[in-house]
Amino acid sequence: EPEVTQTPSHQVTQMGQEVILRCVPISNHLYFYWYRQILGQKVEFLVSFYNNEISEKSEIFDDQFSVERPDGSNFTLKIRSTKLEDSAMYFCASSEYVLGYTFGSGTRLTVV
Amino acid sequence: ELKVEQNPLFLSMQEGKNYTIYCNYSTTSDRLYWYRQDPGKSLESLFVLLSNGAVKQEGRLMASLDTKARLSTLHITAAVHDLSATYFCAVVFSSGSARQLTFGSGTQLTVLP
Repeated sequence: EPEVTQTPSHQVTQMGQEVILRCVPISNHLYFYWYRQILGQKVEFLVSFYNNEISEKSEIFDDQFSVERPDGSNFTLKIRSTKLEDSAMYFCASSEYVLGYTFGSGTRLTVV
Repeated sequence: ELKVEQNPLFLSMQEGKNYTIYCNYSTTSDRLYWYRQDPGKSLESLFVLLSNGAVKQEGRLMASLDTKARLSTLHITAAVHDLSATYFCAVVFSSGSARQLTFGSGTQLTVLP
């Protein structure tokens, strides 16, 4: 069964450092998403990406965040200057046009 | 405001008992999903409900959707320990152009022997 692959599974970074989280969505999917989940809390939408551009973003997705699809297969989330409150599990997801969101296994980001 | 509310947030139940988790949402939705999450793991898709009156069942879990009431339920029949997990409902709101999911707060289910 096709999978969404995320790397790394765990990233520890110092406050103020830049991090890039990587995702390989399912190849024939059209929509790509990043969500985050602070420990013990609900899953929150960050951003969606379609046709090589951001289609929607939440209030969480401020100027410190950016996404890109550099090579037609990878989908990355960059946090420019990490804060302690960015510590969370970040999930990438992709979807077909009609149905079916597939989530990756997540990257646990710990900012120290 | 697009809101999804689940209750209860925490649920402890004895093996063999039945219980229902409720999911209310604030405005018109295209579809509703139920996910299971084990600690430290990703989100496992359980059900997608597309239309009013939709009912889906898998094993001891059954999900239903009432679009008029903006309510979905996840019913657990004769619970077993393996069902212990956090269950999320998530809604795709019709007004969302990118069709992103809006999640409820989750219900942490613990099935006791």
